[in-house]
Amino acid sequence: EVQLVQSGSEVKKPGTKVKISCKVFGYTFTDSYLHWVRQAPGKGLEWLGLVDPEDGETIYAKNFQGRVTISADTSTDTAYMELSSLRSDDTAVYYCAPARAETPFNIWGQGTMVTVSS
Amino acid sequence: QSALTQEASVSGTVGQKVTLSCTGNSLNIGSFAVGWYRQISHGAPKTVMFGNSPPSGIPDRFSGSKSGTTASLTISGLQAEDEADYYCSTWDYSLSAVVFGGGTKLTVL
Repeated sequence: EVQLVQSGSEVKKPGTKVKISCKVFGYTFTDSYLHWVRQAPGKGLEWLGLVDPEDGETIYAKNFQGRVTISADTSTDTAYMELSSLRSDDTAVYYCAPARAETPFNIWGQGTMVTVSS
Repeated sequence: QSALTQEASVSGTVGQKVTLSCTGNSLNIGSFAVGWYRQISHGAPKTVMFGNSPPSGIPDRFSGSKSGTTASLTISGLQAEDEADYYCSTWDYSLSAVVFGGGTKLTVL
């Protein structure tokens, strides 16, 4: 059974950074890209970017370029998303989801709440 | 403003058939498979349609289709438990990014 287990909630101050993890089970980690999507309170879904665990290549959404770093560790089947220069409007639930190239998401992680507050 | 356009809200009665739409362009919906996701009370999204195929465990009341640059999710025999927010997404060739619709709030009357 495919499962994605994300790290726990985080509370951060503005200007700092957060790094959250997503450990995958039940499929070959390098067979799919690993995407990150977020949802701010009361808002819709927003894509941040992806990593190809096979070679570490990344693609980031324009809105987050320069602030987001997505990586993958094939030794632990874990992907990471680091967001820097945090602002209050980065307060959101962050989800990981695997998908093959240019295909929709079939399964999602449980989400990680990140709260940015002074 | 979302790259994909969805109705803000749709409603139906129990047993009715409803169709949600997701409109894009030739470089996203016109070229790539569309996913549909259900979200209840801002919990984790759950995929209800992967291209034109529902994932295992999704009732066959759910069906997906695409015509040109518009994708549709049809729910037949609407049930109270179908009340949720529904989002669509696909890959966008010009943006080299995943794009989402703004979401449709489905209310079961």
